[in-house]
Amino acid sequence: KAGVTQTPRYLIKTRGQQVTLSCSPISGHRSVSWYQQTPGQGLQFLFEYFSETQRNKGNFPGRFSGRQFSNSRSEMNVSTLELGDSALYLCASSAETLTDTQYFGPGTRLTVL
Amino acid sequence: AQSVTQPDIHITVSEGASLELRCNYSYGATPYLFWYVQSPGQGLQLLLKYFSGDTLVQGIKGFEAEFKRSQSSFNLRKPSVHWSDAAEYFCAIGTDKLIFGTGTRLQVFP
Repeated sequence: KAGVTQTPRYLIKTRGQQVTLSCSPISGHRSVSWYQQTPGQGLQFLFEYFSETQRNKGNFPGRFSGRQFSNSRSEMNVSTLELGDSALYLCASSAETLTDTQYFGPGTRLTVL
Repeated sequence: AQSVTQPDIHITVSEGASLELRCNYSYGATPYLFWYVQSPGQGLQLLLKYFSGDTLVQGIKGFEAEFKRSQSSFNLRKPSVHWSDAAEYFCAIGTDKLIFGTGTRLQVFP
């Protein structure tokens, strides 16, 4: 069974631009969560999608948004990039609920210059 | 407020030695508890989880963790560390989302 895949793996953007990251969950998984990992703040929950609906949301500004498609693939978008958005963005999928075993992808490393 | 504390930022052990990584949490009830491991350049891998029942939980790669309600702790242990265990370890609680601790970096000397 293929694992969680994230594209692209690396991304370099400049301040003010926007970016879209993609996540393909494990086949059959309906819940997709996104996390931001930085050296200063650690791992922080961004949001969770289930059946194309945002089910949970962390404490991030509205510049961070996401969506989920009918095949459970998910995208997250960050608009008006700031230097502080440089981070590893991790996607995780689980069968149904957030507390089922979450399987993480390798992440997308975003660098904002 | 819900939070997870991993008091040890960095731990160094010799290969073959025992290991204990500490984790304390703050939550109004008993949350779901998790330990994840992250190797360089990789995503997180679940080592074990606790929802209810037996407070001693067995995981993959020879790890175990013990839930102690009175101490709000969920410490991770391994009787004999291998060089391949060098990685960063994260404790997390699950409520409506996963809340992670800041991680403990484990270094293993041969």
